[in-house]
Amino acid sequence: GNSVTQMEGPVTLSEEAFLTINCTYTATGYPSLFWYVQYPGEGLQLLLKATKADDKGSNKGFEATYRKETTSFHLEKGSVQVSDSAVYFCALTMNSGNTPLVFGKGTRLSVIA
Amino acid sequence: DTGVSQNPRHKITKRGQNVTFRCDPISEHNRLYWYRQTLGQGPEFLTYFQNEAQLEKSRLLSDRFSAERPKGSFSTLEIQRTEQGDSAMYLCASSPTARVGEQFFGPGTRLTVL
Repeated sequence: GNSVTQMEGPVTLSEEAFLTINCTYTATGYPSLFWYVQYPGEGLQLLLKATKADDKGSNKGFEATYRKETTSFHLEKGSVQVSDSAVYFCALTMNSGNTPLVFGKGTRLSVIA
Repeated sequence: DTGVSQNPRHKITKRGQNVTFRCDPISEHNRLYWYRQTLGQGPEFLTYFQNEAQLEKSRLLSDRFSAERPKGSFSTLEIQRTEQGDSAMYLCASSPTARVGEQFFGPGTRLTVL
């Protein structure tokens, strides 16, 4: 079946450090890929998405590029802030979004001042 | 856009009792999803509705679980004869059909079965 694998957390970084959270997927076909974020005490919210190979999703300084050849969708940010502390989930859906999201286990990021 | 709301936010019950959760989606969204999330895991799909029609159910959804969405508005998720393994966060999400994979999540209902 379809699945998403994320790097284990927690990840602890100093403010202004570079962030990478790895995500790889297994899917029969060509999924659409997403990063969702869960801030403390809040519900999951969409951070960015990419619907086809080589697309780059970006939002709030975060970026991820859909790499079909490596089945990856790594999340990056050049300079993290304390307010980026949250749990980040990589997810996929198939059939142009007509199937439910399949999530990874999540990666907790803590940014310290 | 008032967001997705879920009630109650917390529920503590004894094993064997029945519980019901409610989800109110964003009003113009015709798709509604239920997920379950346990500690250290990502959300796992349970079931989803297109308007009032329940289109898919996960194998995770045992016979003790039932979901409804009468009139295509709010939805309820009922768990009968709860077990300790049902303890989890139950998440509801809604989306418009046209926006691929873009789901709007509620804050969740945390269920604790003693």
